[in-house]
Amino acid sequence: QQQVKQSPQSLIVQKGGIPIINCAYENTAFDYFPWYQQFPGKGPALLIAIRPDVSEKKEGRFTISFNKSAKQFSLHIMDSQPGDSATYFCAASTRGWGKLQFGAGTQVVVTP
Amino acid sequence: EAGVVQSPRYKIIEKKQPVAFWCNPISGHNTLYWYRQNLGQGPELLIRYENEEAVDDSQLPKDRFSAERLKGVDSTLKIQPAELGDSAVYLCASTPRQGAYEQYFGPGTRLTVT
Repeated sequence: QQQVKQSPQSLIVQKGGIPIINCAYENTAFDYFPWYQQFPGKGPALLIAIRPDVSEKKEGRFTISFNKSAKQFSLHIMDSQPGDSATYFCAASTRGWGKLQFGAGTQVVVTP
Repeated sequence: EAGVVQSPRYKIIEKKQPVAFWCNPISGHNTLYWYRQNLGQGPELLIRYENEEAVDDSQLPKDRFSAERLKGVDSTLKIQPAELGDSAVYLCASTPRQGAYEQYFGPGTRLTVT
């Protein structure tokens, strides 16, 4: 049972473009939605996170948009750079549940 | 501040052999997680510790997997005997306190079972 569905599986953009990654969830009890960035051979690194009481959060070039009624959230990478090439995972959790439910990941390639 | 430390980074073993992974969480972090990440997929929780107590091990295949966290700091995850399907990256993560959302991951141990 996949509780968090992520798309697309992969994405190629040119430098300066805006890759957009989408996630959808089913469990309305989720109240924490982080995005992780993972480089080859490394563990996932927390990038940005949002709570359902806000519709958008920005940190540097990374923006999360959140649509509670549609049970969807997305990551936008503004002015993407080749160094942003990585696999990005969305996730969801609830306080007290403890575990993060991850999406399947999106491999983003930013070409020079 | 040092991050989550895991060792070894890579391990290759033959099937039916035992293997163990070690994790040292961020100093002061009481909650520790072990995840398994299969190739091309997101991490999946195996077990969660609050201090030295395993509070969620529902996803741990208990016939061959075991874990311990003596003294509530370091943790060891063991597989005995290993199967081909156990090939994956085993990730350790920690959070500063029970109920905290942010989880910080170590670099993982890549296990290859031949």
